Amino acid sequence: NSKVIQTPRYLVKGQGQKAKMRCIPEKGHPVVFWYQQNKNNEFKFLINFQNQEVLQQIDMTEKRFSAECPSNSPCSLEIQSSEAGDSALYLCASRGQGLNPLYFGAGTRLSVL
Amino acid sequence: GQGVEQPAKLMSVEGTFARVNCTYSTSGFNGLSWYQQREGQAPVFLSYVVLDGLKDSGHFSTFLSRSNGYSYLLLTELQIKDSASYLCAVRGTGGYKVVFGSGTRLLVSP
Repeated sequence: NSKVIQTPRYLVKGQGQKAKMRCIPEKGHPVVFWYQQNKNNEFKFLINFQNQEVLQQIDMTEKRFSAECPSNSPCSLEIQSSEAGDSALYLCASRGQGLNPLYFGAGTRLSVL
Repeated sequence: GQGVEQPAKLMSVEGTFARVNCTYSTSGFNGLSWYQQREGQAPVFLSYVVLDGLKDSGHFSTFLSRSNGYSYLLLTELQIKDSASYLCAVRGTGGYKVVFGSGTRLLVSP
């Protein structure tokens, strides 16, 4: 069973509001991923970290999203100004170093009204 | 470009088996994972393969052919509760991203 913890489970925001969600990766996992899954079950990669350092991120993440994984604190993903199209399930996953699979948290379901 | 393809739907009967196919095209290969995802819930890890051949894990088995960019997840002795979406995810080389397919929705009928 996954030990990745995501909060909150549900988040409701108005357009233009900030939306912040958190993730505690599994202990000992230095690599953290954030994905957005839409209503068609399609996964969109947003950003990933190794320890506190960003490895890769997409343009959308660079512009409207901010994310960090500080040491000794939960990782976070924040949408600076929510849009209706941001409504989705946001999944955090972590893995160990090397060739290892990702383990997912329960996700944060964001609804932007 | 990189891509992972899966059939959208699959139907089978309780007590029989189901094979969920996955084809992929990535820059290099650093492992393929299978997940089960129920409606509104997070993906649950099932299996991870990096070498060719069949990996038997009881109820779930996985096959990989790297030269053909192909894998399948085999579910045997199906139960109604196996009805779910099954996701294939591939990690290429030269980067850290893991590319997901859109999942195959398996429906097991009595």
